Amino acid sequence: GAVVSQHPSWVICKSGTSVKIECRSLDFQATTMFWYRQFPKQSLMLMATSNEGSKATYEQGVEKDKFLINHASLTLSTLTVTSAHPEDSSFYICSGREGLLEQYFGPGTRLTVT
Amino acid sequence: ELKVEQNPLFLSMQEEKNYTIYCNYSTTSDRLYWYRQDPGKSLESLFVLLSNGAVKQEGRLMASLDTKARLSTLHITAAVHDLSATYFCAVESSYDKVIFGPGTSLSVIP
Repeated sequence: GAVVSQHPSWVICKSGTSVKIECRSLDFQATTMFWYRQFPKQSLMLMATSNEGSKATYEQGVEKDKFLINHASLTLSTLTVTSAHPEDSSFYICSGREGLLEQYFGPGTRLTVT
Repeated sequence: ELKVEQNPLFLSMQEEKNYTIYCNYSTTSDRLYWYRQDPGKSLESLFVLLSNGAVKQEGRLMASLDTKARLSTLHITAAVHDLSATYFCAVESSYDKVIFGPGTSLSVIP
């Protein structure tokens, strides 16, 4: 299957700072990328959908000014958590899809806000 | 709004026994996924089911899809400890976003 990478795999930041997570499709062109958040022992919750070159579509309850998503190329999307707080600590997982094909998931980024 | 349910949410089964995990969804689906997740890890793709009546098998796992009933099953045959993990079904509607079920936490005990 296709490969999606994420960087960093884990990050610790102080409350009030911002952190950027990268999601890359390594061997396909991800026309659509998705960002999910997973709290411990819970399922994956879709945060937003982004199409290359367009503004992201956020799910209800997700603050677009807090979670900035950029999908400037067919192989890279970034999620920036601005003014992070401890409640933003979570496992963030991205996925990519080329056209209408199946989606492929990245390995995830574990964010801890102290 | 697409909703996805799984049953059971927790499953403790003995080795060598068979069991089935059920996934129900509320609207028409174009694609249904089954994933496995080990603690602290990302998702491992198990199956992608595309059409009514689709059945796929890999080792001790077999998945099926009934689009008319909006139901997918993941059948485990002769469970072994290595299958202990959380299993998610996820449903894609209108080639749009994918919504995940709550997950089934499976423990296989000797």
